[in-house]
Amino acid sequence: DQQVKQNSPSLSVQEGRISILNCDYTNSMFDYFLWYKKYPAEGPTFLISISSIKDKNEDGRFTVFLNKSAKHLSLHIVPSQPGDSAVYFCAASGPIGSGAGSYQLTFGKGTKLSVIP
Amino acid sequence: NAGVTQTPKFQVLKTGQSMTLQCAQDMNHNSMYWYRQDPGMGLRLIYYSASEGTTDKGEVPNGYNVSRLNKREFSLRLESAAPSQTSVYFCASSEARNRGTGANVLTFGAGSRLTVL
Repeated sequence: DQQVKQNSPSLSVQEGRISILNCDYTNSMFDYFLWYKKYPAEGPTFLISISSIKDKNEDGRFTVFLNKSAKHLSLHIVPSQPGDSAVYFCAASGPIGSGAGSYQLTFGKGTKLSVIP
Repeated sequence: NAGVTQTPKFQVLKTGQSMTLQCAQDMNHNSMYWYRQDPGMGLRLIYYSASEGTTDKGEVPNGYNVSRLNKREFSLRLESAAPSQTSVYFCASSEARNRGTGANVLTFGAGSRLTVL
């Protein structure tokens, strides 16, 4: 039972155009959503996050949109650059386990973005 | 600025052998995690330690044990390796996250690639 879904395994975009990466979730207890970027042979690095009480968060070329009623979020990269080519993971934060206040991240399977020069 | 350091980076084992993956962080984080990444599966949580002295199972704990040696170090042990444990393992750390605080942003190590023959 996959609680965080990234249905597109890959995406190709021309340099300078917009990249849109999508993510769906099923658990209404998630209260923060994060995007991570991963280059080959490196660990994932944090990119941007959004609280479930917001519908948009922007950081430079990166904007995350949240549609809570649809349980859907998207990451927009404008303009896309060749250095953005990486695997992008959507992650959701929510309580797990029996410990009070224990919050963990649940990751999607990732989307490989290729930005073509 | 070491962040999260994992050793070894690569390891080849035979079925039934045991080994320990080491992880250390220098950011004074309370929480530490072990994830595995498999093709098409994203990042799956194996075990986590919300604070020094505590450990809990994640999504895929079978075949693994962990030790939170102190606040800095969190090791993952495979007692009897199986081919299904061939994977890339990531250690991560974060500030503890409780209800009312912001998203728990994880900092990841570079990964340990394990092959079990």
